[in-house]
Amino acid sequence: QVQLVQSGAEVKKPGASVKVSCKASGYTFTSHYMHWVRQAPGQGLEWMGIINFDAGTTSYAQKLQGRVTMTRDTSTSTVYMELSSLRSEDTAVYFCARGYGPGNPRTFDIWGQGTMVTVSS
Amino acid sequence: QSALTQPRSVSGSPGQSVTISCTGTSSDVGGYNYVSWYQQHPGKAPKLMIYDVNKRPSGVPDRFSGSKSGNTASLTISGLQAEDEADYYCCSYAGSYTLLFGGGTKLTVL
Repeated sequence: QVQLVQSGAEVKKPGASVKVSCKASGYTFTSHYMHWVRQAPGQGLEWMGIINFDAGTTSYAQKLQGRVTMTRDTSTSTVYMELSSLRSEDTAVYFCARGYGPGNPRTFDIWGQGTMVTVSS
Repeated sequence: QSALTQPRSVSGSPGQSVTISCTGTSSDVGGYNYVSWYQQHPGKAPKLMIYDVNKRPSGVPDRFSGSKSGNTASLTISGLQAEDEADYYCCSYAGSYTLLFGGGTKLTVL
């Protein structure tokens, strides 16, 4: 079945970087966009960015420009999200989410299980 | 870009209908027919309920419906059931391959 499996929880110090992975299975990896969404404890959802699996092109939320990088490895059907210069406000659950339907960048259907990233000194 | 505006909470009794609004601008909600709605139960990943303003994915009950007028989109849940109690988020395409979420609405079934 279609699923997205993310890497495990991380604890980082302020100023460090974190890289979260999301491995896709059960569908044609290169046909769908992949998004990253985060949710701080007790807060709402925040869209972070999108990557086109085929071409590897990306688009990021304005507030994260310069700190976030999304990449993909087509040989392993895995996407990565790296966030640098971490601060306490980056403490959140990070989700990868597949674009709904081939070539659709506007909606998500399948979500990963989430990865908790804690930033603490 | 500011988050889309949703009411913090709504409530209704079983069997009743509730509507959750989502207000944006002409650059997002009003500019595209690409509003989606997600349901999130505590500790779970969100679930797609409505996409492209008013389309339902397979498996979503027809008690859930969506609409849009100008810069405001709405999600209506009719025949409320206990399992509908959850957080609901709207999301709109905002151009240039960017998306914007609403702040979320907590639905309480009384």
